[in-house]
Amino acid sequence: QSALTQPPSASGSPGQSVTISCTGTSSDVGGYNYVSWYQQHPGKAPKLMIYEVSKRPSGVPDRFSGSKSGNTASLTVSGLQAEDEADYYCSSYAGLGLVFGGGTKLTVL
Amino acid sequence: EVQLVESGGGLVQPGGSLRLSCSASGFTFSSYAMHWVRQAPGKGLEYVSAISSNGGSTYYADSVKGRFTISRDNSKNTLYLQMSSLRAEDTAVYYCVKGDLDYWGQGTLVTVSS
Repeated sequence: QSALTQPPSASGSPGQSVTISCTGTSSDVGGYNYVSWYQQHPGKAPKLMIYEVSKRPSGVPDRFSGSKSGNTASLTVSGLQAEDEADYYCSSYAGLGLVFGGGTKLTVL
Repeated sequence: EVQLVESGGGLVQPGGSLRLSCSASGFTFSSYAMHWVRQAPGKGLEYVSAISSNGGSTYYADSVKGRFTISRDNSKNTLYLQMSSLRAEDTAVYYCVKGDLDYWGQGTLVTVSS
């Protein structure tokens, strides 16, 4: 299984929206509705932000949303806030096990 | 409150062995599959291994297959990862993760170096 492809970096100003992509294949992202997104601040464990493409766990702000089209999933963060600055990882079920993206560093300008 | 507490990390020489443990609380451990995910220093997340709720099914990434063994003791609410033939590239923080990847432990650092 190859890692999912994410842009290494993304940025936006406070209040703006930013979208991070996660590209896989028909064997992972495109084949299952089991894409998740995680937020990781420096020195901390990852935190689940989106699961099953577009569902938000309890406690995650509705500024975070997920979607999928074909083999590409996306995470959109609306109304950017300073605390959103972190690394973001996507993952997808891949038939056997999971595969992660390489991560995107989101900078709030 | 769900808690996952890893232990057992440390410094080990190449070719050596180490056993990681993850003590779980705050949920019905025996009802959930469990996972190990690792993160090399300054790198991204890598899925390592998984085990079904009753321990009957396991999964290993190609990078650790034949060297790592995942197991669990539902009577002790504990997940294990036995690591052998360790290599420098196994150096990472190892996270214990609950079934739906909705809760992560704080991680334990494994360093493989002479």
